[in-house]
Amino acid sequence: AQSVTQPDIHITVSEGASLELRCNYSYGATPYLFWYVQSPGQGLQLLLKYFSGDTLVQGIKGFEAEFKRSQSSFNLRKPSVHWSDAAEYFCAVGARGNKLVFGAGTILRVKS
Amino acid sequence: GAVVSQHPSWVICKSGTSVKIECRSLDFQATTMFWYRQFPKQSLMLMATSNEGSKATYEQGVEKDKFLINHASLTLSTLTVTSAHPEDSSFYICSARDVGGGPTDTQYFGPGTRLTVL
Repeated sequence: AQSVTQPDIHITVSEGASLELRCNYSYGATPYLFWYVQSPGQGLQLLLKYFSGDTLVQGIKGFEAEFKRSQSSFNLRKPSVHWSDAAEYFCAVGARGNKLVFGAGTILRVKS
Repeated sequence: GAVVSQHPSWVICKSGTSVKIECRSLDFQATTMFWYRQFPKQSLMLMATSNEGSKATYEQGVEKDKFLINHASLTLSTLTVTSAHPEDSSFYICSARDVGGGPTDTQYFGPGTRLTVL
């Protein structure tokens, strides 16, 4: 069965510091992988997605993620965090035409 | 592009009444829409998959008679919470799958509807 693990429930980083949010997935076939961000009381915004090709994916707001098949990981990174990046981040795995399975989410706090 | 709206954004109702939530894809056609429920500080749990012109597919444990889903057009799906009770209070989020946007398909999410049942 598909599953997604986000090991970190909370992460706190200083503004301007680099960020890496971890995501590990379990899926039998080639996965489609997504990162979404959710601000309090809001819906989800797609940051980036990986379907195939280049394993380093660029997204919006300066985020990127790298797909590593050998580690079953799809970690999200940003070189310099801004206070406005404080939110909850969800990693998800899905197959074409199928439903998404979400991780538990990681809450990012940015301290000034 | 790829904007999904939900209406209402929040609703308060009395126990025993029914509430309808609309999900619309504004600039693309969505043959499939999904309904999720999110409890405070938790992840999204898929409730059902809504297919245009056919019956919705419900996830295990979701009462289909309580959560009625209708997907009457390629841009509109509705979720009706029937005979709502306080335990139905939650944040309901829909998403729409864009199959016409290119070689891949992606779910785009609405802003969510906060339901409070008194």
